[in-house]
Amino acid sequence: GDSVTQMEGPVTLSEEAFLTINCTYTATGYPSLFWYVQYPGEGLQLLLKATKADDKGSNKGFEATYRKETTSFHLEKGSVQVSDSAVYFCALSAGGADGLTFGKGTHLIIQP
Amino acid sequence: GAVVSQHPSRVICKSGTSVKIECRSLDFQATTMFWYRQFPKQSLMLMATSNEGSKATYEQGVEKDKFLINHASLTLSTLTVTSAHPEDSSFYICSAQTSGGADTQYFGPGTRLTVL
Repeated sequence: GDSVTQMEGPVTLSEEAFLTINCTYTATGYPSLFWYVQYPGEGLQLLLKATKADDKGSNKGFEATYRKETTSFHLEKGSVQVSDSAVYFCALSAGGADGLTFGKGTHLIIQP
Repeated sequence: GAVVSQHPSRVICKSGTSVKIECRSLDFQATTMFWYRQFPKQSLMLMATSNEGSKATYEQGVEKDKFLINHASLTLSTLTVTSAHPEDSSFYICSAQTSGGADTQYFGPGTRLTVL
């Protein structure tokens, strides 16, 4: 079945550091890929998505590129802020009205 | 836009009782809603997919008689945990997909269920 693997945290960085959170997937066909973010005490929010190979999703300074050849969708940000502290989930959808398959989540802590 | 609410946010019940959790899409119509379960420090696991006006589709290993799902309108889905036991204690999260599809799901804030 489909699966998503992402780096386990917590990941602790200093403010303005460069961020990479790795995500790889296993799926049949051509899934859509997502990054969701969960801030403390809140529900999951869609951060960005990509629906086909070589697409780049971006939002709030975060970027991720759909790499079919490496089955990856790594999340990057050039300069993190304290307010980026949250749990980040990589997920895939086989398409249409299918539920999402999530990675385990990566807890990101940004220190001032 | 695309706000999903859940009620209640927290519930504590005695073993053997039933608990109903509501999921509402506040500003859009959702033909499909999903129910997930999240254990501490674990990922979200899909429990079932609910389409308005039809029976829910349950994932393998999820007891449909224990987790009753009703999707009576385009803005409301309910999950009822019947005869709850302590092992059902978990964080239950719903999501809704707009009628246009395009894969994007919008998530509710979740409901923390504790069964004593």
